[in-house]
Amino acid sequence: QKEVEQDPGPLSVPEGAIVSLNCTYSNSAFQYFMWYRQYSRKGPELLMYTYSSGNKEDGRFTAQVDKSSKYISLFIRDSQPSDSATYLCAMSSNDYKLSFGAGTTVTVRA
Amino acid sequence: DAMVIQNPRYQVTQFGKPVTLSCSQTLNHNVMYWYQQKSSQAPKLLFHYYDKDFNNEADTPDNFQSRRPNTSFCFLDIRSPGLGDAAMYLCATSRVDREQYFGPGTRLTVT
Repeated sequence: QKEVEQDPGPLSVPEGAIVSLNCTYSNSAFQYFMWYRQYSRKGPELLMYTYSSGNKEDGRFTAQVDKSSKYISLFIRDSQPSDSATYLCAMSSNDYKLSFGAGTTVTVRA
Repeated sequence: DAMVIQNPRYQVTQFGKPVTLSCSQTLNHNVMYWYQQKSSQAPKLLFHYYDKDFNNEADTPDNFQSRRPNTSFCFLDIRSPGLGDAAMYLCATSRVDREQYFGPGTRLTVT
């Protein structure tokens, strides 16, 4: 079993829809949680960073962390074609090393 | 703007010919990382530096080496590239125990 499991997708939604992305994990020591967006042939771009459980909102993006269920989510409201990318969840404990999900490719159709 | 810069963005090398990729940062972060990312896969950590302390992942091949001459710069040396080393190489930086910021990557082709 992988340490981090991410819904594989791909996901195709119409413009304006809500995109929901999810990851589960098995390591209870994880306490830092991140979402990265990666466009084709580019480096990952940090979207959201949260520490421990709770919600965090930034514009159209909302990140949720439920440590009791070992489950994290990213919601994108009012999705735009420019949101079409691969989204990677990542998490770490205190040893610098990030554990990534495999990524979910999202296409937002105009 | 503070950022992570990688050069070159695209590198073509021949089988067995040494190649060096570079990374620089203006974020003044004390941790720098090198990742390898193959198509449709998550980034795979090769090694990282905490200041000058080098930390190698157990499964990183000996063919990969790294140097960090100062806080701002870090280099990835591939001594004898094989066809299987063709990938995107990503540099990232962070403060201690904080989020990592990635550069744009260097796409390596081995012919």
